[in-house]
Amino acid sequence: QVQLVQSGAEVKKPGASVNVSCKASGYSFTNYYMHWVRQAPGQGLEWMGIINPSSGGRTSYAPKLQGRVTMTRDTSTSTVYMELSSLRSEDTAVYYCARSNTVADLVFWGQGTLVTVSS
Amino acid sequence: EIVLTQSPGTLSLSPGERATLSCRASQSVSSSYLAWYQQKPGQPPRLLIYGASTRATGIPDRFSGSGSGTDFTLTINRLEPEDFAVYYCQQYGSSRGTFGGGTKVEIK
Repeated sequence: QVQLVQSGAEVKKPGASVNVSCKASGYSFTNYYMHWVRQAPGQGLEWMGIINPSSGGRTSYAPKLQGRVTMTRDTSTSTVYMELSSLRSEDTAVYYCARSNTVADLVFWGQGTLVTVSS
Repeated sequence: EIVLTQSPGTLSLSPGERATLSCRASQSVSSSYLAWYQQKPGQPPRLLIYGASTRATGIPDRFSGSGSGTDFTLTINRLEPEDFAVYYCQQYGSSRGTFGGGTKVEIK
């Protein structure tokens, strides 16, 4: 069965970077796009970006995060990574990876990773 | 960037009633790339509808989606106790995605 297992919770200081991993299993890793979505405490969902695990790992990011977010993948371990730099308090959120079946429908979700940014 | 506006913000209904949730886009959205999700506290979202009107695997037929262009609707017939949750619409186009702000369906 499809599983997405994310790395554990992180606490970071403002200005630092965070790297969240998402290890996929139960399917052919390079055949499906992976999205990243975040949710600040008590708030709605925010789409962050998408990575194509094949095609050289082509990415597309939300305009708001362009320049601060980088998504990469390691096909040897079926893992995608999301790095967010220059962290500020507003980046405190649960970060999810989610696999789509076509390109747009987020069918399978990781368990979420809480990133707390605090001085 | 396409902005999705969901209404109402909160819907107070009783079990057995029908819920009608709206999602309006700031510009035309491909129906193929419009989805609806349900989220309960402490859980990741669950895909309900994709392609504007196709139920995802395992989703009961009391959930239905409709619409095109800039106006989309999620209808939940005969609300069950487990349907009280927050619902989000989402679109994907031009290699970018966005979510609506959500509608909370609460027990009246």
